[in-house]
Amino acid sequence: DTGVSQDPRHKITKRGQNVTFRCDPISEHNRLYWYRQTLGQGPEFLTYFQNEAQLEKSRLLSDRFSAERPKGSFSTLEIQRTEQGDSAMYLCASSSRDAAGEQYFGPGTRLTVT
Amino acid sequence: AQTVTQSQPEMSVQEAETVTLSCTYDTSENNYYLFWYKQPPSRQMILVIRQEAYKQQNATENRFSVNFQKAAKSFSLKISDSQLGDTAMYFCAFMNSGGSNYKLTFGKGTLLTVNP
Repeated sequence: DTGVSQDPRHKITKRGQNVTFRCDPISEHNRLYWYRQTLGQGPEFLTYFQNEAQLEKSRLLSDRFSAERPKGSFSTLEIQRTEQGDSAMYLCASSSRDAAGEQYFGPGTRLTVT
Repeated sequence: AQTVTQSQPEMSVQEAETVTLSCTYDTSENNYYLFWYKQPPSRQMILVIRQEAYKQQNATENRFSVNFQKAAKSFSLKISDSQLGDTAMYFCAFMNSGGSNYKLTFGKGTLLTVNP
């Protein structure tokens, strides 16, 4: 069990560019979550996958955001036409069906849009 | 919608002393979990302690314990014998266990500093 991993750890991009982040959950976990954390705030829910199905998206997730989990394993989060307001830490978490709610978090990807 | 409120943005404590972090929440659900997560500086978030709402007994994990007051919708975290490694952001979080999406709703966090 190597834990939840995220790549890249840091990303600096110019406004208007597209970025993609990857999350590798713990291998036997069927649930995967994306959260966004801005400075001084707690993480906010973005979207949720159960296996490969995306079951819920937050209203925070504008049309410029898309997430996939094609084979029920790793997941990607893409942001198109980035804006300065997208600057944040993007956290991925995973959990198993029997975990009684416990989610395991990755180290996050810190995005800076200049 | 659920909300979680942490009214203490920052706290400090001397090493070996006890500190209590406050959390209140608002929900109309009856079945839920409450959590305290710890986020050390530049490190990933880890679970400290979990409480099931249907359990009256307060959860404990070594030096960490909670005071769960369901009627008051209060969920405080007590850290005993504070250690330097306890320095971190602490987040209180809520999860509705009765639905199909087990997303967490977090408070804004409390920055705890343990001083030597």
